[in-house]
Amino acid sequence: EVQLVESGGGLVQPGGSLRLSCAASGFSFSIYSMNWVRQAPGKGLEWVSYISSSSGTIYYADSVKGRFTISRDNAKNSLYLQMNSLRDEDTAVYYCARDGAGGNWFDPWGQGTLVTVSS
Amino acid sequence: QSVLTQPPSASGTPGQRVTISCSGSSSNIGSNYVFWYQQLPGTAPKLLIYRNNQRPSGVPDRFSGSKSGTSASLAISGLRSEDEGDYYCATWDDSLSGRVFGGGTKLTVL
Repeated sequence: EVQLVESGGGLVQPGGSLRLSCAASGFSFSIYSMNWVRQAPGKGLEWVSYISSSSGTIYYADSVKGRFTISRDNAKNSLYLQMNSLRDEDTAVYYCARDGAGGNWFDPWGQGTLVTVSS
Repeated sequence: QSVLTQPPSASGTPGQRVTISCSGSSSNIGSNYVFWYQQLPGTAPKLLIYRNNQRPSGVPDRFSGSKSGTSASLAISGLRSEDEGDYYCATWDDSLSGRVFGGGTKLTVL
């Protein structure tokens, strides 16, 4: 069964840092591109970042560019999101999502991990 | 404000057919595939439609997608109570070099 499990969320003060992880299983992680997508409480979905299978291509949403860093370890079947200089508006559930085979859709999604930025 | 525009709400009675629209521009919907996601209450989003009108295995044929120009739509026929939730369209935006979502449509089954 294809599974994505996020971890690392929690409460952090504005200006602080947090590192999210996503553990993948049930598929060949190393051949798929991966993404982070977030959802603020009661709001819609916002794509955050993309990383290709070999880490050769990386994209960020303008809202996180320069503050967040996406990375992956194919040997550990894991995806990461290093979040620095966190702001109140970064409060959200963060989902990791695999790219579709042959296209840039998201399938499947993890269950999400909540990041709360508050003093 | 989302790059793609969806109506904030839609509703229908059991058995009815409802459609949800998604409007964009030449840099996103006009030149790229559209995808649809379903998010039931308290759960993670799930892929519903890919490449404008393709259904992943396991998605009932009551769900269908279409695209014309810079707009797309999701149709749900034979509406059921378990369809109640939020629906999002998404695509790639060439100008932003990133994925974009619609603001989401909350579907209520009356």
